[in-house]
Amino acid sequence: QVQLEQSGAEVKKPGSSVKVSCKASGDNFSTYTINWVRQAPGQGLEWMGGIIPILGTPDYAQKFRGRVTLTADESTSTAYMELSSLKSEDTAVYYCARVIGTSWDYWGQGTLVTVSS
Amino acid sequence: SYVLTQPPSVSVAPGQTARITCGGDNIGSKTVHWYQQRPGQAPVLVVYDDSDRPSGIPERFSGSTSGNTATLTINRVEDGDEADYYCQVWDTTIDWVFGGGTKLTVL
Repeated sequence: QVQLEQSGAEVKKPGSSVKVSCKASGDNFSTYTINWVRQAPGQGLEWMGGIIPILGTPDYAQKFRGRVTLTADESTSTAYMELSSLKSEDTAVYYCARVIGTSWDYWGQGTLVTVSS
Repeated sequence: SYVLTQPPSVSVAPGQTARITCGGDNIGSKTVHWYQQRPGQAPVLVVYDDSDRPSGIPERFSGSTSGNTATLTINRVEDGDEADYYCQVWDTTIDWVFGGGTKLTVL
């Protein structure tokens, strides 16, 4: 059984950065795409980007290019999402999810990031 | 950019059939997936590749696509089906796109 365990909630100041981790267990981490999506309060799902750990080359949504950095550490089966220049509008729950085919079959539990002065 | 349009809400009585639509330009030519999200929880895949169900998802859930509309059908709706439902597609030109979500209310 695949599990994705995300890091805990964060409170950040505007202008700062946040780094969220997503640790995988139960399957071969390196060969699947790990996608990141966020959900603002009361809103829908917004894709941010994805990475295949074994390749290490991320793909970013146009909206987040220049502000988001995705990385992966194969040795610890952990993916990371770093978002910089935080604004209040970045307050959201951030999810990682594994891709199989083109569907997202396993999801992390989500990480609440609150941006507030 | 590619837009997927879902009705904001659908209401149905227990035991009846719920149909949630997802409209997109020529969506029938794309592969559609559906996710269920209960309040405070992560999304769960309920239909993939237009009409397949992951293991553990009841047969009451089914999907179909035709022309510009994809449909998630939930037969014999139960109280536990009350949730938000999202459609999703991917292709090389649009990347990953989600619909805006539909809140299913069980009356």
